[in-house]
Amino acid sequence: SQTIHQWPATLVQPVGSPLSLECTVEGTSNPNLYWYRQAAGRGLQLLFYSIGIGQISSEVPQNLSASRPQDRQFILSSKKLLLSDSGFYLCAWSDGYSNEQFFGPGTRLTVL
Amino acid sequence: AQSVTQLDSQVPVFEEAPVELRCNYSSSVSVYLFWYVQYPNQGLQLLLKYLSGSTLVKGINGFEAEFNKSQTSFHLRKPSVHISDTAEYFCAVIGWNNNDMRFGAGTRLTVKP
Repeated sequence: SQTIHQWPATLVQPVGSPLSLECTVEGTSNPNLYWYRQAAGRGLQLLFYSIGIGQISSEVPQNLSASRPQDRQFILSSKKLLLSDSGFYLCAWSDGYSNEQFFGPGTRLTVL
Repeated sequence: AQSVTQLDSQVPVFEEAPVELRCNYSSSVSVYLFWYVQYPNQGLQLLLKYLSGSTLVKGINGFEAEFNKSQTSFHLRKPSVHISDTAEYFCAVIGWNNNDMRFGAGTRLTVKP
């Protein structure tokens, strides 16, 4: 069966520090991968999605970036965090056929 | 592109009462529709989905939803809620020809004893 992992689970970082969040998927190949951000009391905002290694589409201009160095690995990064980057970050995958997305457990990021 | 509107940000209800969480969508193409549930500090879990066929879809935990194409709605219902149903519920839509899933802002369901 397929599983999706995210780490770390929680993170507290000072403003201006770098960020690296990792997401990995097991039990499937060539998944579509997604990064979402969920701000407090708000819905999900799609940040990036990828349909293959090295293929990244950005939905919202921001100081975040994403990379897909391996088929089942998706990384969310920032060189300098802003206060507004605080939120709950969710990674998801889909197989591109059923259109259902499967979500990871999320990372709670607090920028101070 | 698609969009989703969840008409109620918060729905308080007493235990064992029925509940309906409303969802409307807009799209220029045929769509697939989903309801997800999120418990505090967790990821999203799929409750049910409509891809094609019968417009009444049954999901986990006793939830069901009905796809109404003429009203562009996909409301979620449960005849009798439990305390454990307290969570955030998200409606989502994706066009049949793309990978762009759009989520509503969420409805916080609070079940009171």
